[in-house]
Amino acid sequence: DAGITQSPRHKVTETGTPVTLRCHQTENHRYMYWYRQDPGHGLRLIHYSYGVKDTDKGEVSDGYSVSRSKTEDFLLTLESATSSQTSVYFCAISESSSLMVDTQYFGPGTRLTVL
Amino acid sequence: AQKITQTQPGMFVQEKEAVTLDCTYDTSDQSYGLFWYKQPSSGEMIFLIYQGSYDEQNATEGRYSLNFQKARKSANLVISASQLGDSAMYFCAMREDPIQGAQKLVFGQGTRLTINP
Repeated sequence: DAGITQSPRHKVTETGTPVTLRCHQTENHRYMYWYRQDPGHGLRLIHYSYGVKDTDKGEVSDGYSVSRSKTEDFLLTLESATSSQTSVYFCAISESSSLMVDTQYFGPGTRLTVL
Repeated sequence: AQKITQTQPGMFVQEKEAVTLDCTYDTSDQSYGLFWYKQPSSGEMIFLIYQGSYDEQNATEGRYSLNFQKARKSANLVISASQLGDSAMYFCAMREDPIQGAQKLVFGQGTRLTINP
């Protein structure tokens, strides 16, 4: 158990509304990630963070923003949700101080439906 | 271009048989990492095994082993003595060149494995 929680676990919202998903970790990991999972695409990286207030874009960042004001929390915001953002969202963490790879662990996921 | 290819959308295997899940990858990096994850019907992503590009020996974790053939750019997952609980979706992933230590994983589309009693 890597101590990762996501909230909410399920959410239904309407097109055009803002949505914020929260990822919380308890073990002080430096790196945090947001992925989305859609049928036929596996998981795709949205944004990632390499420290407090240090974030960068992933493969599918359009329409999403992130913030990390504390080590333990990484927030994903959909400023104006669209139906194409209906997906399962996974948060992940890793700890890597060099090019040595550490395992990336995932949270339980958030199922978001945009009507 | 797709960087991770899993050519088997679905596989059906009899319980206790060994099973090989295929994964090929594409990268020009010399240093990279390959991961396998399991996703049961409950939805969580479970880490199974990791292979580094410079590792000379194939990775093993219990009943899981990774058949790493660098020249062919393949990283197949082998599950020995399959069990009913192995029924799940399996994803192969590759770590891209890390920037500031972050691991940006690229995933394949997955293989749905069904173990028959």
